[in-house]
Amino acid sequence: GAVVSQHPSRVICKSGTSVKIECRSLDFQATTMFWYRQFPKQSLMLMATSNEGSKATYEQGVEKDKFLINHASLTLSTLTVTSAHPEDSSFYICSARARYWDEQFFGPGTRLTVL
Amino acid sequence: GENVEQHPSTLSVQEGDSAVIKCTYSDSASNYFPWYKQELGKRPQLIIDIRSNVGEKKDQRIAVTLNKTAKHFSLHITETQPEDSAVYFCAASGDFGSKLTFGTGTRLQVTL
Repeated sequence: GAVVSQHPSRVICKSGTSVKIECRSLDFQATTMFWYRQFPKQSLMLMATSNEGSKATYEQGVEKDKFLINHASLTLSTLTVTSAHPEDSSFYICSARARYWDEQFFGPGTRLTVL
Repeated sequence: GENVEQHPSTLSVQEGDSAVIKCTYSDSASNYFPWYKQELGKRPQLIIDIRSNVGEKKDQRIAVTLNKTAKHFSLHITETQPEDSAVYFCAASGDFGSKLTFGTGTRLQVTL
């Protein structure tokens, strides 16, 4: 299957700092990328959908000024958690899909811990 | 929007027995139904998927059935093995480009 990488895999930061997470499709052009958040023992909750070259569409309840998403190329999307607080600590997972594909391919996830 | 319900939340079976996980969806426009297996701290892995023009699909020990009229689909795992222990998620989506809505997950424990 197609390969999606995510970096960093783990980050620990102080409250108030910003953290950037990168999601890359390594062997296909990802026209759509998705960002999910997963709290312990819970399901994946979609935060936003981003299409290459256009603004991300955020799910209800997700602050777009706090979770900045950029999908500047067909192989890279970034999620920046601005002014992170302990309640933002979670497992962040991206996925990517090419045009006309049903299947999404998931990155390995980023474990964010805000102290 | 789409709502996906999943049952049971936990399931314990003995090795060699079968496991069945059921999901229902609300949006009749949904036409793609994947199932994912997620191990602790890892990414979800697609194990099988089905599209709305098919009623059943099988891949070795894993099968999925879809009832469009009733808007429900099920995952069947036969001859379970300890390595099948994980959290399983169902999901549903519509046409190309639409988002996936996940079920709440089922923690499967296969005991020796």
